[in-house]
Amino acid sequence: SAVISQKPSRDICQRGTSLTIQCQVDSQVTMMFWYRQQPGQSLTLIATANQGSEATYESGFVIDKFPISRPNLTFSTLTVSNMSPEDSSIYLCSVRRSSESYEQYFGPGTRLTVT
Amino acid sequence: QQQVKQSPQSLIVQKGGISIINCAYENTAFDYFPWYQQFPGKGPALLIAIRPDVSEKKEGRFTISFNKSAKQFSLHIMDSQPGDSATYFCAARRDSGGSNYKLTFGKGTLLTVNP
Repeated sequence: SAVISQKPSRDICQRGTSLTIQCQVDSQVTMMFWYRQQPGQSLTLIATANQGSEATYESGFVIDKFPISRPNLTFSTLTVSNMSPEDSSIYLCSVRRSSESYEQYFGPGTRLTVT
Repeated sequence: QQQVKQSPQSLIVQKGGISIINCAYENTAFDYFPWYQQFPGKGPALLIAIRPDVSEKKEGRFTISFNKSAKQFSLHIMDSQPGDSATYFCAARRDSGGSNYKLTFGKGTLLTVNP
């Protein structure tokens, strides 16, 4: 498995501001992903964080709203920009060792509340 | 369009009983079916997984049954314990192109095991 940490673990932010969430993995992984989990709901993939290139976003998610960085094989950031109360969710970092690996692991999540 | 349908939405079981959660899918391109366990305030943890070339996989008290022809798979928790109380998500993996494997999640089942 992989040990994944996220910072911050939770935050309360004001409408219109931005928050950057960090994801650190204890070993190098090829694949890193960012998911959103709205209260009481399932997991929705936001984007795949690609090292050295722009992230690949899923339908309904755009780079201007959720810019992502992936400077190396153990670290990624997700920024939630110009936040509104609808962005209140848990944001989860997830990793797979390689593109073909079956096992996928999740971090502890960042619980974001926007007021 | 929900590609993985999970039921029931919630489940209450007595301690020592068997918990059964079901999932169904339509896309025959799925090639890996994991189950995740999520406790409140935590990220999803990979619990057990199966590939479609086997019909059953058992790990301790947890068993996955897989019916390829019916396109259904289920999680059985034997001798359920209060500590098993959590939300369980089934998922299915497919290649969305160029070895770009993605997980699709069910909506989750909230399991409560009464002492």
